[in-house]
Amino acid sequence: NAGVTQTPKFRVLKTGQSMTLLCAQDMNHEYMYWYRQDPGMGLRLIHYSVGEGTTAKGEVPDGYNVSRLKKQNFLLGLESAAPSQTSVYFCASRWEGGTAYEQYFGPGTRLTVT
Amino acid sequence: DQQVKQNSPSLSVQEGRISILNCDYTNSMFDYFLWYKKYPAEGPTFLISISSIKDKNEDGRFTVFLNKSAKHLSLHIVPSQPGDSAVYFCAARGRGGADGLTFGKGTHLIIQP
Repeated sequence: NAGVTQTPKFRVLKTGQSMTLLCAQDMNHEYMYWYRQDPGMGLRLIHYSVGEGTTAKGEVPDGYNVSRLKKQNFLLGLESAAPSQTSVYFCASRWEGGTAYEQYFGPGTRLTVT
Repeated sequence: DQQVKQNSPSLSVQEGRISILNCDYTNSMFDYFLWYKKYPAEGPTFLISISSIKDKNEDGRFTVFLNKSAKHLSLHIVPSQPGDSAVYFCAARGRGGADGLTFGKGTHLIIQP
């Protein structure tokens, strides 16, 4: 049981390049999330999904796209990377039932855009 | 506009003593509050949570107190242990609107031997 995994762990991009970050969870969770964390800041929600085939915008969605083609995977895409997207990206998932709203996080992807 | 505020960037506490981490919020639509712990180069891990209809929740050495009238919550860790040294994030979930959590900036807790 790996929980939430993220690929890759590190990446350096040049401005204008594109890339996709992959998040996978093996807990059969319905809800999945992408956050970014910048130095001295809390995590901010980029996009989220409440089930396979659904996506919705969070607090800071501009410059990112997402897809949830399979329940266990949530992809975050950067079509044309900018230096302002240098950050640590965290994926999370949670069970849709109950009232705990507890999210389980992956280890993060550190992205640098030069 | 920060809706969840952790005004202490860092806190140093002696091992065995009580650690108290504070969090203030501005959005009265928040209905659930969570504390996460984060070590360097790792993802946040869930510690403890509290519903807005309660004023206290306890789990082992960790207790969270909620004062709705003051829009304030605190996390108490007693006794503090060296492994508690980490960054602690306060997070909140809002009724309606976008799903997901709103996080504070975090407090770096340092447990001194």
